[in-house]
Amino acid sequence: AQSVTQPDIHITVSEGASLELRCNYSYGATPYLFWYVQSPGQGLQLLLKYFSGDTLVQGIKGFEAEFKRSQSSFNLRKPSVNWSDAAEYFCAVGGRNAGNMLTFGGGTRLMVKP
Amino acid sequence: NAGVTQTPKFRILKIGQSMTLQCTQDMNHNYMYWYRQDPGMGLKLIYYSVGAGITDKGEVPNGYNVSRSTTEDFPLRLELAAPSQTSVYFCATLRQLSTEAFFGQGTRLTVV
Repeated sequence: AQSVTQPDIHITVSEGASLELRCNYSYGATPYLFWYVQSPGQGLQLLLKYFSGDTLVQGIKGFEAEFKRSQSSFNLRKPSVNWSDAAEYFCAVGGRNAGNMLTFGGGTRLMVKP
Repeated sequence: NAGVTQTPKFRILKIGQSMTLQCTQDMNHNYMYWYRQDPGMGLKLIYYSVGAGITDKGEVPNGYNVSRSTTEDFPLRLELAAPSQTSVYFCATLRQLSTEAFFGQGTRLTVV
């Protein structure tokens, strides 16, 4: 069965500092991997996705993520965080199954200090 | 192009009451999903549909029912509301040949 672990429930960073959110997955084949962001009271918005090819993927809002098969990881990074990045971030895996279902991690809540 | 529309946005139910959460999409996507979101638990799949007339259970289907009579609509029914069903519910759609999901704004349900 597929699963996703986001080890950090909360992270606080200072504005302008770099950010890395961790994601580890379990999947029986080459996965499709995603990062979604959820602002308070909103639905989920796709930040970036990995299907195949280059293991470093660029997303919206200056985010990037690197797929590391040997570590079963897909960590999200941003060189310089701003206050508007405060939100909850979800890593997800899936796609290559009947119904193309996604399995989500528990989420990481990011807080940004001025 | 509204995308995925969920109604209502908020609802309070008493134990034992029933209600239907509505989900409508105008993207002509075949795949539709209902998730529930509980704090620290991420999103759990309740039911999904791969096309009109076809539905299947997800990870946490107990206490819920769905139907898919048209491509556009995928309502979620709670027959006998229980406090454990207090949650935020999200409807999502998927393109057939891609796995980028589009989400509605969510329905916050409280059962008291």
